[in-house]
This record gives sequence, C-alpha cells and structure tokens, in this order.
Amino acid sequence: SQQGEEDPQALSIQEGENATMNCSYKTSINNLQWYRQNSGRGLVHLILIRSNEREKHSGRLRVTLDTSKKSSSLLITASRAADTASYFCATDPSGTYKYIFGTGTRLKVLA
Amino acid sequence: GAGVSQSPSNKVTEKGKDVELRCDPISGHTALYWYRQSLGQGLEFLIYFQGNSAPDKSGLPSDRFSAERTGGSVSTLTIQRTQQEDSAVYLCASSLEQSYGYTFGSGTRLTVV
Repeated sequence: SQQGEEDPQALSIQEGENATMNCSYKTSINNLQWYRQNSGRGLVHLILIRSNEREKHSGRLRVTLDTSKKSSSLLITASRAADTASYFCATDPSGTYKYIFGTGTRLKVLA
Repeated sequence: GAGVSQSPSNKVTEKGKDVELRCDPISGHTALYWYRQSLGQGLEFLIYFQGNSAPDKSGLPSDRFSAERTGGSVSTLTIQRTQQEDSAVYLCASSLEQSYGYTFGSGTRLTVV
C-alpha cells in the first residue's frame, strides 16, 4: 500500500485563487518533500521539510507538517495557469533512505 | 553535467526483447534512484544506489530487472525478455546525499508491443 496519499486526487480552480493539497502517510518519517510534475515526465523538487519542522515557505508555496497526525499540506497562493501540474508528496520512512511517493493531486488552474 | 540525463527518451520494443536504459546523474551526486511510473499513477520505487553499491533492490519487480552503476556515476537499468506490463516511464533521480531533495531526469518512456 502507498506510504503517502494525496487529497484531493484532482483540483480545479480559477487563476488567482489559492490551492491546497494534503498528504497523509502511515509511518514515522525523517523528511517530507513535495514535487511537481508536468506532462507526465520528470519531476521538479519544490520543497523539503524535516520532521522537526512545522512550516516552511518558498515563494508562493507554503508547506506545513503535523507529525502527530502524519499529514502535510501544500498551499499555493495566487495560483497561475502555469501551476497546472500534478503534485506529489514523498516521504522517507525512518530507518530507510528512499522516498516513497504518493499518488498525486492533479491541479488545473483556469485562466 | 547540469542536470540528470536519461537516454533514450523514448523506446519502443517488441515483447521478449531486452532493453537497456541509461542514467547520467549530476556530477558529485552519490545517491541514485530508479523509479517507474505507469500511466496516471504514482512513482514506484525500483532500486537505490549509494556510490556503486545497491543496498536496496527491493523494488525490482522480477528477476528480469537488473541495474548497475559504475564509477559512482552512470547507471544502466536492464530489462530482459520485456513484457507488455513493463510499459511505463522509467525515471532516474540523483541527490547529493540520501536526505536531500532529488533531481529527476526527464525519463525514458518504454513501450512494449
């Protein structure tokens, strides 16, 4: 079964609105990352948050991590059409050295 | 190099043939990972290299799959006697160390006909 599950599976919003995606995972982790994928090819690393961090910002991105609930959220503010992509969370379960990816959220930003 | 390079970008092969997929990671990145992604799905972990050794091969789907890495750099993923269910995009990623973010290549889209 998947270590990480994103929610919702698909999201459609208007340009300028905020987009929030959630990720839940099952076991304790060292780190959690968010990636973006355009057109089903290579993924782009967005942000990494460590298990002892609660919130991180990068430009229009805000990531939160709640280890007690085993969940994370990715907020994209003031969305643009170029943000249209699939977004994946990835976690590295404690004691391992590989990231397990969730199934992704497909975001569509309408101009 | 500036990024992770994978070749070929697309490969169509007949069922039963062997294929080799190549990954050239960022220079100096000690960790290298192979994933595959079937249409509309998440990423499935295949194998991880630290230097030339592969401490975790647990994701390889069958003994038809093998991978090696030489000189702490280039890696090849070999699929023998390809089957239609092997059709997917095979993604390679490298990172400076295990706990760092990955840099992904653009992938090889494998189609077995």
